[in-house]
This record gives sequence, C-alpha cells and structure tokens, in this order.
Amino acid sequence: EDKVVQSPLSLVVHEGDTVTLNCSYEVTNFRSLLWYKQEKKAPTFLFMLTSSGIEKKSGRLSSILDKKELFSILNITATQTGDSAIYLCAAPGGSQGNLIFGKGTKLSVKP
Amino acid sequence: GAVVSQHPSRVICKSGTSVKIECRSLDFQATTMFWYRQFPKQSLMLMATSNEGSKATYEQGVEKDKFLINHASLTLSTLTVTSAHPEDSSFYICSAPGQGLYEQYFGPGTRLTVT
Repeated sequence: EDKVVQSPLSLVVHEGDTVTLNCSYEVTNFRSLLWYKQEKKAPTFLFMLTSSGIEKKSGRLSSILDKKELFSILNITATQTGDSAIYLCAAPGGSQGNLIFGKGTKLSVKP
Repeated sequence: GAVVSQHPSRVICKSGTSVKIECRSLDFQATTMFWYRQFPKQSLMLMATSNEGSKATYEQGVEKDKFLINHASLTLSTLTVTSAHPEDSSFYICSAPGQGLYEQYFGPGTRLTVT
C-alpha cells in the first residue's frame, strides 16, 4: 500500500530559526513528490520534485528529493511567524492517480 | 494557473438534512475530480474519485449512499452529504488534475458543521 510519512508531526521554533521537515515515501510507480503549505483553508502549492539531488528554492524555502533513499526535506531558513502552518507532503499514487498525503508537520513560529 | 472553485465555503446544517457541495474547474476541463476530507488535526484523506460520464469510485470505508457524487459536466462535480450527522463535520476539499502530468489544483475547501 502506498504511503507518505512525515516527521516531526509538530514543531515549535522561534523567529529566525532554521527548520527541516522530513518526508519519506513508499509509492509504486513513483512520479513526483509535492510539498504544500496549509493555513486555514486548502493547501497551497510550494514545490514539486521529480529528480533526485536537484534543490528547488523559493525565497527562504528550499526542498530536495532523494529517490534512492525515498525521502525529501523541506528547509525553511530565518523563519517568520507567517511561516506558521501545516506543511503537507504528498505523492501521486493509488489506483486513481490521486494524491496520497502525509499527516503533515504543524510548524509554530514564536515571535 | 488553473483555478478550481468550491461552493459554499462554509455551511452549517442540522442533523438529518442533506448538504450539496459544488466543485468547478473554472478555466479548464476536468474529466476527473478528487474529493478529500480533512478532520481536525488530521491530514487530507481521499474519499472518492469523481469521473465524468461514469460512476464515482469510492475509497474503502466511505459510504457511497451517504456521500453522493455526481460529475455533471467536464467542469462540475458535486458532493452531497445525505442525512448529515455531527460526525460528518469536516473540511471537504476537491481537486482536479491539471494539464501537466503531475499537477493538481485544489478548491478552497468547504467547512461543514452539522449541529
């Protein structure tokens, strides 16, 4: 059965800290891994990773995929209170091509 | 980018009543749409796959007679929660695959509260 596992489930840091969020996966016919940020509504897209070792970067956020070890990390540097959210990792899988989500990491950034 | 809308964004209903949630792809056609449910402090879980022109495919444990899905056109899928109960209170989100192989576009979600 396809699955996506995230760790930690919850993280509390102070502004300015750097955080690393982890995502491991077991997906048959792996195609891509996606990261989302979810605040109060639907998830918003952050990154899609398809190739190993190529870092994707957007401002203070970056992510990389390791297809050999079947995991990805999401880094956030110089965290701000606005980064507080649930970060979801997902991979297309299942018989319908739907996204399989991890449980998410709840990040709280304290001032 | 592609846009998916959902309506209503928030609904409160009484136990025993039915609620319809609409999911529309605004600028592209979607032969498939996915319906997810998210309980508080939990991740999104796929409920069913809506297919235009054929029956929806439900995930294990999801009652097809309770959660009626109709993919009326290439831009509209509806989820009707029939005889809603308080335990159906949740955040319901639809998504549609985009033209790119790996793209998925989410609606803004519908928060259902059953009293």
